[in-house]
Order: sequence, then C-alpha cells, then structure tokens
Amino acid sequence: QSALTQPPSASGSPGQSVTISCTGTSSDVGGTNYVSWYQQYPGKVPKLMIYEVSKRPSGVPDRFSGSKSGNTASLTVSGLQAEDEADYYCSSYAGSNNLVFGGGTKLTVL
Amino acid sequence: QIQLVESGGGVVQPGRSLRLSCAASAFTFSSYAMHWVRQAPGKGLEWVAVISYDGSNKYYADSVKGRFTISRDNSKNTLYLQVNSLRAEDTAVFYCAKELEGGAVAGTQVDYWGQGTLVTVSS
Repeated sequence: QSALTQPPSASGSPGQSVTISCTGTSSDVGGTNYVSWYQQYPGKVPKLMIYEVSKRPSGVPDRFSGSKSGNTASLTVSGLQAEDEADYYCSSYAGSNNLVFGGGTKLTVL
Repeated sequence: QIQLVESGGGVVQPGRSLRLSCAASAFTFSSYAMHWVRQAPGKGLEWVAVISYDGSNKYYADSVKGRFTISRDNSKNTLYLQVNSLRAEDTAVFYCAKELEGGAVAGTQVDYWGQGTLVTVSS
C-alpha cells in the first residue's frame, strides 16, 4: 500500500495549461480504470474533479481533464485561473478493495 | 444535497480509544460502501478503511489493521470508526466519504466527503 507518486508542486500562469502526474504500479494505476483526482483548498474538504481516469462529475469545468498511460495518470488543467490554485490528489484502486492516494501536488497560479 | 457529518473527535492520550461517527443524509445510505480517510496536519490524504454497503465486508490499510474497526448501522444511516491504542502519529482529521458507485462495489473511488473530525493524540 505505498502512496502514489506526485510532484510536490506545479505552477503556471493564467491562461496556460499545466499537467500533474500520478505514478503508481501495475497493481494500482496501471491495472485499473478507477483513478480519481481531488481538489482541496487549505482547510477545506476534498472535491472530486475526475473519476474513472477521465470522467468529469457534473459541475466540474471542462478545463479539467484526465488521462492515463501505463502506470502514470495525469490531470491537465487548461486555461489556468486564479481559483485553480489548490492542492490536488490522485487516488487509485489498489486491489483487494483497497484505495491508495498520491502525496498531493500544490498547484500555484503565478 | 448529500451530507456527511462526522463527530466524536477530540484530544486523547496515547493508548486510549475513541469512536468516530458519521451521519449520512440525502442518499440511500444502505446502498453504498463507505470509507474513512484521514489527513495529518499539513500532510496528504491517507485511506483508512472501507465497509461494504451491507456491512458484511471490511477492509483496512495496513497502518491501522488490528487497531481500528469500521462498522455501520444502516437503520440509523450512520458510519462508525472505533480507534484503539491511539498513537501520536494517528493525529489527523478523519473524513468519512461515500463510494461513488453503489451496490457491491467497494474501495474503488469516493465522491462525497464530510467536513471531518479532528483527532489529536497527546499526553
């Protein structure tokens, strides 16, 4: 049950695109389509942004997109806005009814 | 709208126990697996445990296996987490969260989260 690997930080200017990676193994990210992404503002509750690798819940802007290649999943935020500055966490089904999260990435809008 | 409201946190001495609760509303609680996820101060999210929709199956993170027990009362729409033998490293906000997909699916992804309850382990 090792945590998924995310870069500690990412940044971009308003209007630009930024991609956050989430690397696991064939036992988790690489072996499942149950990969999700969450946005969390300081002191607030995580919010689901992407589920099943690339699906967006109702109400999430289409500027947010997800993808996966091999053991690495990615979250791309296009047309960066100041309100996108937050922490982002990935999660993956890890087999045996276990869930595993990434260490989190702090996204800064310059 | 879906609501999850945790309670039961507080300051507790090392080695003691607590029971956390999570009251659910605005969805068919008995149809969904439920999770506990924790977040230590300034740290990331850590999955703790999941219980199936009917309570018949329970799964735990290795870090809490044998010390924490997840349970539910579908007649009361309430999820529980019994936390025993608490250690300083258990200090965290504990969130309950709903499995995204209903039925027999458990441990795959969560959609709604409660506000969390803070557990502080300190002498």
